[in-house]
Amino acid sequence: AQKITQTQPGMFVQEKEAVTLDCTYDTSDQSYGLFWYKQPSSGEMIFLIYQGSYDEQNATEGRYSLNFQKARKSANLVISASQLGDSAMYFCAMTTYSSASKIIFGSGTRLSIRP
Amino acid sequence: ETGVTQSPTHLIKTRGQQVTLRCSSQSGHNTVSWYQQALGQGPQFIFQYYREEENGRGNFPPRFSGLQFPNYSSELNVNALELDDSALYLCASSLWGLGRGSYEQYFGPGTRLTVT
Repeated sequence: AQKITQTQPGMFVQEKEAVTLDCTYDTSDQSYGLFWYKQPSSGEMIFLIYQGSYDEQNATEGRYSLNFQKARKSANLVISASQLGDSAMYFCAMTTYSSASKIIFGSGTRLSIRP
Repeated sequence: ETGVTQSPTHLIKTRGQQVTLRCSSQSGHNTVSWYQQALGQGPQFIFQYYREEENGRGNFPPRFSGLQFPNYSSELNVNALELDDSALYLCASSLWGLGRGSYEQYFGPGTRLTVT
């Protein structure tokens, strides 16, 4: 069975600081994808970044980077130079080759940026 | 490029009633997935439709059913509503068939269903 674990229910960070959101995963599949979504209070899920299990380089998208440590089964999201608009819920998620029709989400981390 | 749209935005129903939620997928996408997100939780996969057929289902009872139309839009139907069905229902579209699977799913704004 696949599982995503996010152990930080909430975080407060000062504006312009970097922040790391933790995510660990569990799957027996060798081929899988990991990604992060942002969900503002409006409810829409916004795709941030994707990392494939065979990708050798850590994924980066602007201020977002994914710290992929395959042996530890972790896929932490790093946001550099946080902004007030980064305040939202953040979900780590996974899809696997054997169940590619569905995305499994973690329970989320609520990030609050202080001015 | 047209994004994913959902209707209605909000809905209030009574326990035991039936509800239909609608989703229009992003232009060019052929796959639609539905998720249920209870308050304070991550989304849970309900099912996915590809070429008008169900292509995977999560742990939801048969009273949750769906349709996909030739234009790739989709409906989620829930019969015999229960109080626990109160949630945000998210629709996501993707383009299946180019080797990337369904990971690039683009979500709509959701329909917030309240069952009283």
